[in-house]
Amino acid sequence: DAKTTQPDSMESTEGETVHLPCSHATISGNEYIYWYRQVPLQGPEYVTHGLQQNTTNSMAFLAIASDRKSSTLILTHVSLRDAAVYHCILRVVQQGTGSKLSFGKGAKLTVSP
Amino acid sequence: EAAVTQSPRNKVAVTGGKVTLSCNQTNNHNNMYWYRQDTGHGLRLIHYSYGAGSTEKGDIPDGYKASRPSQENFSLILELATPSQTSVYFCASGDWGGRDTQYFGPGTRLLVL
Repeated sequence: DAKTTQPDSMESTEGETVHLPCSHATISGNEYIYWYRQVPLQGPEYVTHGLQQNTTNSMAFLAIASDRKSSTLILTHVSLRDAAVYHCILRVVQQGTGSKLSFGKGAKLTVSP
Repeated sequence: EAAVTQSPRNKVAVTGGKVTLSCNQTNNHNNMYWYRQDTGHGLRLIHYSYGAGSTEKGDIPDGYKASRPSQENFSLILELATPSQTSVYFCASGDWGGRDTQYFGPGTRLLVL
């Protein structure tokens, strides 16, 4: 997997909108941008993914730069349950077989009441 | 109802002993994965499987074996456990469905003394 760069940590307060940045300057044309999150003592959880266009689901909005060298995960109205380590990773998705995940340290999001 | 379950959740083993970690999924996914997660190393793939009867080596397979006797079950076997295998082990299932999303179990904490 190609390398991504995230801040080590970010802080927010309940109800705020949080922007989690991710840099992937060497991304290839066939690599998707995936976001997972993990809370202590639990397994990672899928958040969202995208290739070129911005995407949105019930968990987050993913904004992808036009040159695809960076992306931002946007969490609106964060709650204490959103406190987690967020991982931005690049995947070459192989139809029919799936593919492995490889996480680095990720970005730790702290949410205060 | 949890779709990926792991047993045991916690295990203490002695050096040189045999350890078997079990994983069961009810997602009907073809692919299953075993990862370990250590502080400072993120998530690393040990073995994975594309279906019953198949096992493939991941990035760090040495010292581990895997077994996929059925669609639902995937085991990780440490024939001769060593203290360096003390870690948190996660099982995941996934399938190609346009998303290549993986669903993780709650993890097994293994301590090898």
